[in-house]
Amino acid sequence: DQQVKQNSPSLSVQEGRISILNCDYTNSMFDYFLWYKKYPAEGPTFLISISSIKDKNEDGRFTVFLNKSAKHLSLHIVPSQPGDSAVYFCAASGSGNQFYFGTGTSLTVIP
Amino acid sequence: GAVVSQHPSRVICKSGTSVKIECRSLDFQATTMFWYRQFPKQSLMLMATSNEGSKATYEQGVEKDKFLINHASLTLSTLTVTSAHPEDSSFYICSSGLTNSPLHFGNGTRLTVT
Repeated sequence: DQQVKQNSPSLSVQEGRISILNCDYTNSMFDYFLWYKKYPAEGPTFLISISSIKDKNEDGRFTVFLNKSAKHLSLHIVPSQPGDSAVYFCAASGSGNQFYFGTGTSLTVIP
Repeated sequence: GAVVSQHPSRVICKSGTSVKIECRSLDFQATTMFWYRQFPKQSLMLMATSNEGSKATYEQGVEKDKFLINHASLTLSTLTVTSAHPEDSSFYICSSGLTNSPLHFGNGTRLTVT
């Protein structure tokens, strides 16, 4: 059973506009959430994280929002750039170091 | 720079042979390493958790005799795909990290079994 879900397999956004990637989870014990970016034939690279004590974390053009009551997090990229085109995975973790990944959203930023 | 190094990045082997994939942590001691497999358009599926000095913990449905994991030192874990078959062709990725910190991933290994 998928504990972390990304219901949008793909997203296209015009350069300069905002990209919003969504992620839902089912396990209320998750307390640490991350976004990874992955280019083809490469391993994922860490992008941004948020712990459950916060509802927002910002790092440059990337902001992650966490809504614990809805068990939902989102990644906002603004302004979007063509180099942001990649697959984005959200991941969640509870106690220990076991991470659960969503299925990914392929973002295409159109120049 | 990369903190987890995975080798090889690509390997083609014949059916029935075995393939070893190495995963090294470059600037930290990795007591735990994770091995994932990714199918096209699917999530990273955790195969096993590799613990230094002890037996690996395999996820349900993963054959431990087929995917041999060895974690003999704090910087190296290996995954050996034994008697590989075409259905084992996939993208294998290792990761590691300190507890309660983001995982660092290797660049993955594209295995093609002919």
